[in-house]
Amino acid sequence: SAVISQKPSRDICQRGTSLTIQCQVDSQVTMMFWYRQQPGQSLTLIATANQGSEATYESGFVIDKFPISRPNLTFSTLTVSNMSPEDSSIYLCSVLLRYEQFFGPGTRLTVL
Amino acid sequence: QQQVKQSPQSLIVQKGGISIINCAYENTAFDYFPWYQQFPGKGPALLIAIRPDVSEKKEGRFTISFNKSAKQFSLHIMDSQPGDSATYFCAASIPNDYKLSFGAGTTVTVRA
Repeated sequence: SAVISQKPSRDICQRGTSLTIQCQVDSQVTMMFWYRQQPGQSLTLIATANQGSEATYESGFVIDKFPISRPNLTFSTLTVSNMSPEDSSIYLCSVLLRYEQFFGPGTRLTVL
Repeated sequence: QQQVKQSPQSLIVQKGGISIINCAYENTAFDYFPWYQQFPGKGPALLIAIRPDVSEKKEGRFTISFNKSAKQFSLHIMDSQPGDSATYFCAASIPNDYKLSFGAGTTVTVRA
């Protein structure tokens, strides 16, 4: 498996502000993913982030709201922009390693 | 709509009993079916996974049964322990895509 860390682990933010979440993995991986998990719910894929190319977004998610960077094979960031209380969720990054997907610990975001 | 339907939503089992969680899918292009275990405040952890070329896979107390014709797969937790109390998610992906579609999740409570 892989050791994946996320920063911050949790945050409380004001409406209209933005938060950037970092995801770091201890090995080089081609594919990284960002998911959202609303309280008590399942996981929904936001986007796929491959190094060297633009992130690809799933239906219902747009780059202006969730810009993603993937500067190298061990790191990615997800920004949640112009936040509203509906953005309160757990945001998880995952990596594809030997055809299996491993998840980070998540970032718990509360928007007031 | 959810591509993978999971049931039950929750279950309670006595210590030493068997927990059974079922998932069904419609997309016959799915070829990879993992199960994840998630504890409160943690990211999902890969538990066990199966591909359609086998009907059963066992790892310790955890067994996946796969019925390709019925488009169903299930997780059996044998000799359930209080430490198995968690939320379990089934998922599926299509070849070379790696994006996971998750079931709704099942909260398992093992009573001592």
